[in-house]
Amino acid sequence: ETGVTQTPRHLVMGMTNKKSLKCEQHLGHNAMYWYKQSAKKPLELMFVYSLEERVENNSVPSRFSPECPNSSHLFLHLHTLQPEDSALYLCASSQEPGRKNIQYFGAGTRLSVL
Amino acid sequence: DAKTTQPPSMDCAEGRAANLPCNHSTISGNEYVYWYRQIHSQGPQYIIHGLKNNETNEMASLIITEDRKSSTLILPHATLRDTAVYYCIVRIANTGNQFYFGTGTSLTVIP
Repeated sequence: ETGVTQTPRHLVMGMTNKKSLKCEQHLGHNAMYWYKQSAKKPLELMFVYSLEERVENNSVPSRFSPECPNSSHLFLHLHTLQPEDSALYLCASSQEPGRKNIQYFGAGTRLSVL
Repeated sequence: DAKTTQPPSMDCAEGRAANLPCNHSTISGNEYVYWYRQIHSQGPQYIIHGLKNNETNEMASLIITEDRKSSTLILPHATLRDTAVYYCIVRIANTGNQFYFGTGTSLTVIP
């Protein structure tokens, strides 16, 4: 148990659906991250939130919409996804932005887009 | 960006030490070396990190060469549960919280 909880663990959705991924951290951290991991590919950083403000957005399509209502919760809202968006979506948190930060990851949400 | 080079795969006998190498020849003076591992279909797990001195914790040891251009992660007594993909990461300078994970080394511990 890493202290970072992601729900749901598995999600199957159609291209016209709207769904949300949830991440909650119980570590008292103030930075949170969304990563995407496609099959046989390295992790790709999608979004970074620090003190509930988005500080990084790595050219992610607008069909992915993050939300960070407080330092413990992070959401990824999904709409009109494509089959190539099927991947493992990972959430992470760290104590603070900075050179020594250590990121703690959740177990991920396995997303399949049909 | 200081990128890393790792062998794509390695095997290690159970109970023996696993030595995982990493090259980071373009590392700059203020960048740390981090190691994470990812067991199949789970999130990455932090193992250890260091700047220039060797480090040891309950999971592993990290040996960094004097010129800092390479490092080795040592799992002293590998178990079957250590089978995972191991990522050597150098913290990218001037971009805040970026971690570039690369493709890592797939370590298989053999009974």
